Amino acid sequence: QSALTQPASVSGSPGQSITISCTGTNSDVGGYNYVSWYQQHPGKAPKVIIYDVRNRPSGVSNRFSGSKSGNTASLTISGLQAEDEANYYCSSYTTTDTLWVFGGGTKLTVL
Amino acid sequence: EVQLAQSGAEVKKAGESLTISCKGSGYIFTNYWIGWVRQMPGKGLEWMGIIYPHDSHTRYSPSLQGQVTISADKSISTAYLQWNSLKASDTAMYYCARPYGSGDFFMSYWGQGTLVTVSS
Repeated sequence: QSALTQPASVSGSPGQSITISCTGTNSDVGGYNYVSWYQQHPGKAPKVIIYDVRNRPSGVSNRFSGSKSGNTASLTISGLQAEDEANYYCSSYTTTDTLWVFGGGTKLTVL
Repeated sequence: EVQLAQSGAEVKKAGESLTISCKGSGYIFTNYWIGWVRQMPGKGLEWMGIIYPHDSHTRYSPSLQGQVTISADKSISTAYLQWNSLKASDTAMYYCARPYGSGDFFMSYWGQGTLVTVSS
């Protein structure tokens, strides 16, 4: 069982917006602004697309945005494109021994 | 350019030992944490543990404590993930990763992954 809870799957049509939630506790998501999101295409290494809740690394499309409320963080992808079809994972700093935890991942299907 | 180069795919039998590696280049190796991430077939990402090469301070996921050993040789800028006795359930892709900055809590740089296959 993952430390952070994400929906197993979401879907949307090209041009639409979708939101993926990531629910943790006061020991991770709720306690710190160190939530990050990763995109992983099949057979590839993960790629960070959002860090520190809402910041985008250089080169990442502004169609990706992050937010947080209480113990739940969210990733929103606007103007869906076929290339956005991938698995998305949230991660957070945690006060447990590992220092970081992942969510279980969400498969995004672009219809 | 920061790069993490991992060792190649491995095929092993249950009970055998194994060490895989992750060589950092393009930066001062001792200044940044290196983390290891497991991805079992068809499953999600899982933090295994992290090491700070400067002093080899290591933290493990409680679920994996005692199952693997994370180490580093700063003289050759290389981190390691070691098993003493593999199990079929260790079959997975293993990634090493590094934060963007030394005080950051997100992983910007990833190795290409090492596929470990363990037969019973």
